[in-house]
Amino acid sequence: QLQLQESGSGLVKPSQTLSLTCAVSGGSISSGGYSWSWIRQPPGKGLEWIGYIYHSGSTYYNPSLKSRVTISVDRSKNQFSLKLSSVTAADTAVYYCARLPFWSGAFDYWGQGTLVTVSS
Amino acid sequence: QSALTQPASVSGSPGQSITISCTGTSSDVGSYNLVSWYQQHPGKAPKLMIYEVSKRPSGVSNRFSGSKSGNTASLTISGLQAEDEADYYCCSYAGSSTLFGGGTKLTVL
Repeated sequence: QLQLQESGSGLVKPSQTLSLTCAVSGGSISSGGYSWSWIRQPPGKGLEWIGYIYHSGSTYYNPSLKSRVTISVDRSKNQFSLKLSSVTAADTAVYYCARLPFWSGAFDYWGQGTLVTVSS
Repeated sequence: QSALTQPASVSGSPGQSITISCTGTSSDVGSYNLVSWYQQHPGKAPKLMIYEVSKRPSGVSNRFSGSKSGNTASLTISGLQAEDEADYYCCSYAGSSTLFGGGTKLTVL
């Protein structure tokens, strides 16, 4: 059974960089046919797609966040990461990592989510 | 890119059926049969309920069904049960990006 687990700092100061990692177990992140994604949800609000990275290493980002986002993969550790720079209070959210099979366009496995608060 | 449009809330009594709509554009919902639906209970991660417009993952009740017409997708839940009370989100591929709907809160009366 595939499992995803987010980790990282739960408190980030304004203007700094948010960094999160998603550890994948029960399957290989290098398997073809999947992309690995980050999605966030501000408190009391809806879901927002941040971006994904394909097994080839190609990345695609939400245009509204593109200038501040970097998603990367560490195949040796079977994990992928999110960096979001120049954060503000508006970036406070629960951040989820998820898997997306190409053929379905749907996020079939999700991490439990991790709350990141931006505050001084 | 704008979020897909969903009603903020819907409600129904146990045993009844409800439908949640999800309206996009010809650049997303209307162009791809890659619409999915997620159920989210408070404090939990979203759960995939429908993918590719109308397909159900293994383990999802056949009381959940999906459809699409033009730029609008729909999720129907039949035989409402108390445990169906949750937030529901639609999602569509939009050509190298993904859009979510704003979410619909389902209340089982």
